[in-house]
Amino acid sequence: QVQLVQSGAEVKKPGASVKVSCQASGYTFSNFDINWLRQASGQGLEWVGWVNPNTGNRGSAQKFQGRVTMTTDTSKNTAYMELSSLTSEDTAVYYCARRAVPDHWYFGPWGQGTLVTVSS
Amino acid sequence: EVVMTQSPAALSVSPGVRVTLSCRASQNIRANLAWYQQKPGQVPRLLIYGTSTRATGIPDRFSGSGSGTEFTLTISSLQSEDLGIYFCQQYSDWLSFGGGTKVEIK
Repeated sequence: QVQLVQSGAEVKKPGASVKVSCQASGYTFSNFDINWLRQASGQGLEWVGWVNPNTGNRGSAQKFQGRVTMTTDTSKNTAYMELSSLTSEDTAVYYCARRAVPDHWYFGPWGQGTLVTVSS
Repeated sequence: EVVMTQSPAALSVSPGVRVTLSCRASQNIRANLAWYQQKPGQVPRLLIYGTSTRATGIPDRFSGSGSGTEFTLTISSLQSEDLGIYFCQQYSDWLSFGGGTKVEIK
């Protein structure tokens, strides 16, 4: 079945960067964009950005532009999200999620989530 | 930016009752709306897309309706396993999510 498995929890200091991975299985990796979203504790969902494994094209929400880098390694069926200049407001669970249908902006399935904690 | 507002923020309902959750968009998003369910300790799961199309494997007690700026998710007969938080998401103008409605079982 389609599955996304993310890397483990991270603790970072303010100003540092974090890189989260998302390994896909059960489908043709290049056929679906991977999106990244986050959820702070007890809060709603926030979309971070997307990357196309086939073309490398990517985009992000305006608030993350210049601070987030999304890449893929098709040889490993893995997507990566790197977020720099971390502050305490970046503390959240970060999810990768596949587009449920190519070219449509709703998501499923989702990875299990990666908790990123930013603390001095 | 399209702002999505969900109501109520929380509700407690007995099993078997019909439940209606609301989602309002700050501008016309046509039918570009999805609903997700997030059970406690779990990741979000796609329930509905295109306002009213159930995702694969979703029971038919879940239904979606609406258009433009007003949308509804209905659970025809609440089951105990339906507890969790329900989020709406628009994908008409970039992406944005509502704050969620928490459904508790009485």
